[in-house]
Amino acid sequence: AQSVSQHNHHVILSEAASLELGCNYSYGGTVNLFWYVQYPGQHLQLLLKYFSGDPLVKGIKGFEAEFIKSKFSFNLRKPSVQWSDTAEYFCAVNGDNQGGKLIFGQGTELSVKP
Amino acid sequence: DAGVIQSPRHEVTEMGQEVTLRCKPISGHDYLFWYRQTMMRGLELLIYFNNNVPIDDSGMPEDRFSAKMPNASFSTLKIQPSEPRDSAVYFCASSPNLAGRTGELFFGEGSRLTVL
Repeated sequence: AQSVSQHNHHVILSEAASLELGCNYSYGGTVNLFWYVQYPGQHLQLLLKYFSGDPLVKGIKGFEAEFIKSKFSFNLRKPSVQWSDTAEYFCAVNGDNQGGKLIFGQGTELSVKP
Repeated sequence: DAGVIQSPRHEVTEMGQEVTLRCKPISGHDYLFWYRQTMMRGLELLIYFNNNVPIDDSGMPEDRFSAKMPNASFSTLKIQPSEPRDSAVYFCASSPNLAGRTGELFFGEGSRLTVL
């Protein structure tokens, strides 16, 4: 069965530190990959997406993610975090032959200390 | 576009009562999803529709839960009877059906349900 694993449940960083959140998925076919962000008390918003092409994708607010097919990974990165990045981050996968179904990881809570 | 619209935003009810959550997807989107979010289980897919037809309801916890989509612009998620363990935030999301570009969901603000 298709699944998504996020390695870190809670990450605490100081402002200006670099961020990398891990995401691995299990699915044998072609995938579309996403990172969503949920700010405290809000709904999920799309951060970035990968459908095809350049495996390094850039999203909003300086975030980027790299798709490494051989590792089944889609890690999220940001060179310098800000206090306003405090949120929960979800990796999600849509596999071919899955229609529009999106499977989410458990989420990683990021706390940025000012 | 106004985005995905959910109602009510907050609902507090007593155990045993019927709860109905409503969702209006983005116009033109073919897919509609109902997710439940809790601290313990994270984000769970309950059911999703394609062109108003339920495709996968394997995530629906039990028979107390039911979902309908009578037309392209409206869906309901009903819990009858409700129990305290149903307390969660219920998100509705919709998505267009674009070849090779499926899976990009647009979420509503959520309905926070508290069952006492």
